Amino acid sequence: DQQVKQNSPSLSVQEGRISILNCDYTNSMFDYFLWYKKYPAEGPTFLISISSIKDKNEDGRFTVFLNKSAKHLSLHIVPSQPGDSAVYFCAASDQGGKLIFGQGTELSVKP
Amino acid sequence: SQTIHQWPATLVQPVGSPLSLECTVEGTSNPNLYWYRQAAGRGLQLLFYSVGIGQISSEVPQNLSASRPQDRQFILSSKKLLLSDSGFYLCAWSSHPVMAEAFFGQGTRLTVV
Repeated sequence: DQQVKQNSPSLSVQEGRISILNCDYTNSMFDYFLWYKKYPAEGPTFLISISSIKDKNEDGRFTVFLNKSAKHLSLHIVPSQPGDSAVYFCAASDQGGKLIFGQGTELSVKP
Repeated sequence: SQTIHQWPATLVQPVGSPLSLECTVEGTSNPNLYWYRQAAGRGLQLLFYSVGIGQISSEVPQNLSASRPQDRQFILSSKKLLLSDSGFYLCAWSSHPVMAEAFFGQGTRLTVV
C-alpha cells in the first residue's frame, strides 16, 4: 500500500520555465509534508516543508502547495535552472514518528 | 551542530552471510531514527523507525531487523543475506516529535553476490 505517491517518474523542463512536481497521499493522519532533492549515491537533502495547517510555503524559487481536501501537494520551482536537475522526493510524516517517501520524480532542466 | 555517521560506504557480501550496518547521530538527544532502502531505480522504502531506545517499528516484513541499543545509535542487521537485499541503505534522524525535516547519512551501497 503506497501511502505517498508520485505518479510522474520523470519531468523535463526548459531552463527559465516553471517545474511542477506533484505528490498524492492517502493517510489522513499525515500532518507534515516535505520535499527532498537527491543525487545518485548520496543521501537526500531537505528542500522545503509545509505543515497541514497551511496551504502554501515559499522559500526563494521553491514553493510548496498543500490541498488537504484532495490529499495533494505540489512543488513549484521558478525559474528552473540546470542545477535543479535531480530526483525529487515528497515525504509525509505523522505524530507517531513515521516518515514515508514517495517513489521520486526525476527532473531534467534543459538549457 | 548535529551530524549523522553511517558506515560502511560500500559493502559486498555473499548470499547467506550476516549483515550489520551502523548509524550514529551526534549533537542531539532522543532523536527519531530511520532506516530506508533504495533499490535500483526505485523510491525510498521505509524499513524501520524508532522514537526511543528499544522502540522499533517495522514497516515491511523482510529478512532484516533493527536495534537501538543507545539513544543515538541505530543498527540494521540480517542473519542471512539474500540477493534481493542488495540496494542503497540510508539512515536518517529527525527531532522528536516529528515536525521538522529529517537529515540523512551518506548511505551504504550493499551488493549481495
